[in-house]
Amino acid sequence: DIQMTQSPSSLSASVGDRVTITCRASQGISNSLAWYQQKPGKAPKLLLYAASNLESGVPSRFTGSGSGTDYTLTISSLQPEDSATYHCQQYYRVSLTFGGGTKVEIK
Amino acid sequence: QLQLEESGPGLVKPSETLSLTCTISGGSIDNSNDYWGWVRQPPGKGLEWIGSVSLSGRTYYGPSLKSRATVSVDSSRNQFSLRLTSVTATDTAVYYCARHKQVLFFDYWGQGTLVTVSS
Repeated sequence: DIQMTQSPSSLSASVGDRVTITCRASQGISNSLAWYQQKPGKAPKLLLYAASNLESGVPSRFTGSGSGTDYTLTISSLQPEDSATYHCQQYYRVSLTFGGGTKVEIK
Repeated sequence: QLQLEESGPGLVKPSETLSLTCTISGGSIDNSNDYWGWVRQPPGKGLEWIGSVSLSGRTYYGPSLKSRATVSVDSSRNQFSLRLTSVTATDTAVYYCARHKQVLFFDYWGQGTLVTVSS
């Protein structure tokens, strides 16, 4: 299986801050990476796929980048509604795997 | 707008079989490019893919549950299902059904249903 490691596991930032979350795969995944946002008690919501493609309706302050084994999700200007847990998921191998999640809190 | 909804018992006894159904509305299960999958999330933990099925019945499973999980599709009812045998307390989780194109990322999710394994 491909292991996905997210960092940090949690962070606290102020409204307007730039926030970066990292996801590292145990082997190269050729940009086969998705990012999800999950709010408490809700299902995950797809934000980006193919590492950097924004899902329809998702605000442009969310961007994704990376290659090989290392990928990042950036929120350019953190908003109160961005308080959530963010998950990465690889789909390079059919044995789909998720990262452990990053909880983003607003200071 | 495609909607998915999980249904099934919220409480299952240890050693028994967990059975859940996902009903699709606002769209059809009859698209050969779509896969329909199950993902679970134990309380306070991360997401784990269980398995997925296509319209033709082709299935893929995650390694940790492969020996106990069965995912199947019923196109006549616009539904797909999960069976998980020999459950233990560690199977207590919110179970989500979801759609993905081929076997890639998940773009539509159900709201999730909590299943507790307890006697």
